[in-house]
Amino acid sequence: EVQLVESGGGLVQPGGSLRLSCAASGFTFSNYWMHWVRQAPGKGLVWVSRINSDGTSTTYADFVEGRFTISRDNAKNTLYLQMNSLRAEDAAMYYCVRATAPVVTLYFDYWGQGILVTVSS
Amino acid sequence: SYELTQPPSVSVSPGQTASIACSGDDLDNKYASWYQQKPGQSPVLVIYQDNKRPSGIPERFSGSNSGNTATLTISGTQPMDEADYFCQTWDSSTLFGGGTRLTVL
Repeated sequence: EVQLVESGGGLVQPGGSLRLSCAASGFTFSNYWMHWVRQAPGKGLVWVSRINSDGTSTTYADFVEGRFTISRDNAKNTLYLQMNSLRAEDAAMYYCVRATAPVVTLYFDYWGQGILVTVSS
Repeated sequence: SYELTQPPSVSVSPGQTASIACSGDDLDNKYASWYQQKPGQSPVLVIYQDNKRPSGIPERFSGSNSGNTATLTISGTQPMDEADYFCQTWDSSTLFGGGTRLTVL
């Protein structure tokens, strides 16, 4: 059974940092591109970042470029999102998501349960 | 930049057919996927690559993509189908529509 389990969320002050983790199991993690998608309370889904299967290529949404870093440890079957210089508007549920293809035909076949990030003083 | 537009809400009576539209320029030249999200839960893939159903998704869910509009159709809608539905595509990056709240009443 495919499982994606996020951790590391919580309350942080504006300007602070958090590191999200996503533990993957039930599939060959190193074969898949992985993404982070977020959802502010009562709002829609917003793509945040992606990383290729061996961790050598990353892409970010403009609104997190330079502040967030996606990475992975294939030996530990774990995806990460380092979030720095957090802003109030970064507050959201963050989902770890498995992608089926790099681009064009991609869709997300498995989602984690999500982890809540709250940014407030 | 590319955008996907969905109606904020759609209502349907139980047993009837619900159609949820997702509009974007030349969307039929891209692939559309659809996700169902019930309150307090993570999104679930219900349609991928325009019209394919993942295993475990009921046959009443179907999809199409023509011109500028992708459509999710739920035939014989059941109360359990009440949820938010999001379309998604790729155009130099991953994009989601704003979501449609389906009410079954």
